[in-house]
Amino acid sequence: SQTIHQWPATLVQPVGSPLSLECTVEGTSNPNLYWYRQAAGRGLQLLFYSVGIGQISSEVPQNLSASRPQDRQFILSSKKLLLSDSGFYLCAWGGGIGYEQYFGPGTRLTVT
Amino acid sequence: AQTVTQSQPEMSVQEAETVTLSCTYDTSESNYYLFWYKQPPSRQMILVIRQEAYKQQNATENRFSVNFQKAAKSFSLKISDSQLGDTAMYFCAFMKLKSGGSNYKLTFGKGTLLTVNP
Repeated sequence: SQTIHQWPATLVQPVGSPLSLECTVEGTSNPNLYWYRQAAGRGLQLLFYSVGIGQISSEVPQNLSASRPQDRQFILSSKKLLLSDSGFYLCAWGGGIGYEQYFGPGTRLTVT
Repeated sequence: AQTVTQSQPEMSVQEAETVTLSCTYDTSESNYYLFWYKQPPSRQMILVIRQEAYKQQNATENRFSVNFQKAAKSFSLKISDSQLGDTAMYFCAFMKLKSGGSNYKLTFGKGTLLTVNP
């Protein structure tokens, strides 16, 4: 069965510091991968998606970036965090028969 | 662009009763999927149910069922025999199917917070 992992689970970072969040998927190959952000009390906003290694599409212009160095690894990064980057970050994989997406446990990021 | 509207920010129901969560969407597409996701206090997003737009029959998954009205662009979720563990934020989501494409993006509503009371 497929499993999706995210780490770290919780992160507190000062403004201006770098960021690296990692997502890995097990049990499937060549999945579509997605990064979402959920602000407090709001729905999910798609940030990036990837249909293959090195292929990244950005949905929202911001100071975040994403990379996919391996088939089942998806990384969300920033060179300098802003206060507005605080939120709950969810990684998801998709590409199954029913087109549904399955989500990881998420990372709670607080920028201070 | 597609939009998904959940008009009920919060709802509550007594344990063992039935509750219906509303969702409407706006699209000019004819080929799409609709989903309901559940996010309990742990914040893990869990797929509840899926509906293909080309299917007239409403999807069901145990105590969860949908009322899909394509012409009205309505996609409500009915939870029967509500349980305390159903307490969660529920999100309705839309996915357009692109012919020849390989990427499928979800557009989410803002969610409905459901509380099941003992």
